[in-house]
Amino acid sequence: QVQLQESGPGLVKPSETLSLTCDVSGYSITSGYFWGWIRQPPGKGLEWIGSILHSGKTHYNPSLKSRLSISVDASKNQISLKLSSVTATDTALYYCARHPFRDIVGYMDVWGKGTTVFVSS
Amino acid sequence: DIQMTQSPSSLSASVGDRVTITCRASQFISSYLNWYQQKPGKAPNLLIYGASGLQSGVPSRFSGSGSGTDFTLTISSLQPEDSATYYCQQSYSTPLTFGGGTKVEIK
Repeated sequence: QVQLQESGPGLVKPSETLSLTCDVSGYSITSGYFWGWIRQPPGKGLEWIGSILHSGKTHYNPSLKSRLSISVDASKNQISLKLSSVTATDTALYYCARHPFRDIVGYMDVWGKGTTVFVSS
Repeated sequence: DIQMTQSPSSLSASVGDRVTITCRASQFISSYLNWYQQKPGKAPNLLIYGASGLQSGVPSRFSGSGSGTDFTLTISSLQPEDSATYYCQQSYSTPLTFGGGTKVEIK
């Protein structure tokens, strides 16, 4: 059974870089599929951040692209997110999820429980 | 970006009622429309993919329909455990976008 577990610092200062990881278990990232990040500000809806294939091919949300980097560490079976120059508007619950596709980003069928990030000095 | 508009934003219905939620895309998305259920404090859960495909393990009282720009999620007989917020999401093109959500409450 595929499981995803996000982790991160919890609190990030404004203007700094947010770094999150998503540990994947029950499935080898190198076997294929896209893996994505989605966030949800407190009391609000869902926003797709970006997704990555095991090969490193990425799709980013243009609204975040200039600050965003998503990468894969196959040796750890892990995906990572880095978001630079954060502000209070980046405060959110961050989820990682699986897209069960090898050539497109589509729906997301497995989600992690999410990790909360607060941006505050 | 493709804008997704859901209606209503909230509804209250009784157990056993038939509930319908609509989602409209700002442009043609064929059948690349997915529905998720999110309960408080939990991650979203995929219900419907490709407009009408029922995800494995999802009760058959959930169904989806539509194509092009207009889509519907129907709960044929509302159950207490269906109290949640429902989101539509288009996967026709990136950036992937979600509707604003519909909160379903049980009377």
